[in-house]
Amino acid sequence: NAGVMQNPRHLVRRRGQEARLRCSPMKGHSHVYWYRQLPEEGLKFMVYLQKENIIDESGMPKERFSAEFPKEGPSILRIQQVVRGDSAAYFCASSARDSVYEQYFGPGTRLTVT
Amino acid sequence: AQSVTQPDIHITVSEGASLELRCNYSYGATPYLFWYVQSPGQGLQLLLKYFSGDTLVQGIKGFEAEFKRSQSSFNLRKPSVHWSDAAEYFCAVAAYGSSNTGKLIFGQGTTLQVKP
Repeated sequence: NAGVMQNPRHLVRRRGQEARLRCSPMKGHSHVYWYRQLPEEGLKFMVYLQKENIIDESGMPKERFSAEFPKEGPSILRIQQVVRGDSAAYFCASSARDSVYEQYFGPGTRLTVT
Repeated sequence: AQSVTQPDIHITVSEGASLELRCNYSYGATPYLFWYVQSPGQGLQLLLKYFSGDTLVQGIKGFEAEFKRSQSSFNLRKPSVHWSDAAEYFCAVAAYGSSNTGKLIFGQGTTLQVKP
């Protein structure tokens, strides 16, 4: 049973480009969470999604960031016009519907903005 | 606002020695508490969690944690550390009102180094 998969594992973008981060939840999981880990900091919640719905986006920056979890395919975290401050590790976690605190984390995508 | 504090950024212990990692939280009601471990370049793995009941919680890999309401603490312990325990450890609390969202608030982490 494959765990949470994220790709790419490493992503380098120049300032102003777009970054797309993908997350495939564990089989049978319908809930996806995105967290960001800035250097020397803990993880910060960004957004919680179910299939085709954003449930809680209270941690998402107001501009340039968006997330989706379509009916088919992986969840996508999209960052437009990246800036150096977006450099971080982005982690995706998934859970089953009836156990939102049993979150299984992917290996993360490390974004570097040059 | 809710928060989680891990007072120790780095801890070094000798292999075979006991370990205690500190975690303090601020929360108005009975919290849901978690400890995660992150190996270099990897995602987070859940070690244990506390929701209610017995305040001493057993987890995987020989870890345990004790919830102390009077001290707002949830410290992680292990009687005998192995070299493979070297990693970063995160304490987390479920955000208030997040019963339907699973939103977690993390501490800054404690890096554990194990001396041979």
